[in-house]
Amino acid sequence: DVKVTQSSRYLVKRTGEKVFLECVQDMDHENMFWYRQDPGLGLRLIYFSYDVKMKEKGDIPEGYSVSREKKERFSLILESASTNQTSMYLCASSSLPGGSNGELFFGEGSRLTVL
Amino acid sequence: AQSVTQLDSQVPVFEEAPVELRCNYSSSVSVYLFWYVQYPNQGLQLLLKYLSGSTLVKGINGFEAEFNKSQTSFHLRKPSVHISDTAEYFCAVRGRGGATNKLIFGTGTLLAVQP
Repeated sequence: DVKVTQSSRYLVKRTGEKVFLECVQDMDHENMFWYRQDPGLGLRLIYFSYDVKMKEKGDIPEGYSVSREKKERFSLILESASTNQTSMYLCASSSLPGGSNGELFFGEGSRLTVL
Repeated sequence: AQSVTQLDSQVPVFEEAPVELRCNYSSSVSVYLFWYVQYPNQGLQLLLKYLSGSTLVKGINGFEAEFNKSQTSFHLRKPSVHISDTAEYFCAVRGRGGATNKLIFGTGTLLAVQP
């Protein structure tokens, strides 16, 4: 079974704290993504990576950074958490466009609350 | 660039009734189209996809969707819903020939099935 695992399902942090959200996939996928999900706004892409050490900004990268040191792991970093970053964060992965239909495989999500 | 519009934020329906969830897209290039489902407290999973060929696509759990290029639509249908179909449904689009599998999602439609 394919699997995308997000390390924390629920986190509560304080304003100004540094937050790490970890995501690991076991499918040897090249592409990995971080989305943010908010009611009425759907999923918005924060960052994505198409190879180790490569990253590209999505639609809402402000206030976030990412790290991809190994193919299977993609981390989302909030350098200084703010209350407007309270949200559900979803990690996804997929294989290369040329060899696949573009299907994304999602983790179960990390619900972050910033107080 | 692509965009997706799901006009209905919530669709209430009685059990065993038919349902249609609407999705319209905008794109300057040919597209791949997807429907994902999110059950409560879970990540997203693929329901069905249109890549090419027949415009009527069948997915899991009895759902189907029809690609209509002239109306730029990809509406999701089920002839008879069950309580277990209660979930949020997301339509997504990706442009063909892109360098990555970056999906653009709609804002989601909550399907609420009532007994």
